[in-house]
Amino acid sequence: EDKVVQSPLSLVVHEGDTVTLNCSYEVTNFRSLLWYKQEKKAPTFLFMLTSSGIEKKSGRLSSILDKKELFSILNITATQTGDSAVYLCAAQIIQGAQKLVFGQGTRLTINP
Amino acid sequence: DTEVTQTPKHLVMGMTNKKSLKCEQHMGHRAMYWYKQKAKKPPELMFVYSYEKLSINESVPSRFSPECPNSSLLNLHLHALQPEDSALYLCASNTPPGQTTQTNEKLFFGSGTQLSVL
Repeated sequence: EDKVVQSPLSLVVHEGDTVTLNCSYEVTNFRSLLWYKQEKKAPTFLFMLTSSGIEKKSGRLSSILDKKELFSILNITATQTGDSAVYLCAAQIIQGAQKLVFGQGTRLTINP
Repeated sequence: DTEVTQTPKHLVMGMTNKKSLKCEQHMGHRAMYWYKQKAKKPPELMFVYSYEKLSINESVPSRFSPECPNSSLLNLHLHALQPEDSALYLCASNTPPGQTTQTNEKLFFGSGTQLSVL
């Protein structure tokens, strides 16, 4: 069975801290690993990772994929209250058509 | 236009009602998806349409009936739902794999329809 596991499930930190969110996956027909941020309704796209060891960066956020050990991390430096959200990791698999298999999400709360 | 538009934003229906959820995108995407998300849970895939043909049905009960009238529109027809079907229903779209660079395969999500079944 395809499985994506995120940790921690919940994290509370102070503004300015750095956080690392983890995602491990065990799926067949893996194509890529995606990170989304969900604040209220629509998940918004953060990163898509297809190659091992290549860090992707966007401002204070960065992410990397390890296809040998089957995991990815999402780092957020100098956190701000606006970073409070649920962060979803998803493995893109090809099963006839494309599917995203989501992890449970990490609920991140940034306190001022 | 990089949006996926869903209507209505909120819907309350009784168990005997028939209603429809609508989704529209004008990004030229040829794959469209319905996901169901219960509170504090991740989205779960329901259906995938690729080039207007149903390509994945994740064993969804027949009280949910998808329809893809054209490449820009996706509907979800609801009939005789149960209270446990109350959830956020998310529509998404993208370019099918193999048709573009891999980074263009990322899914764009709509804001969802919050459905309550009484």
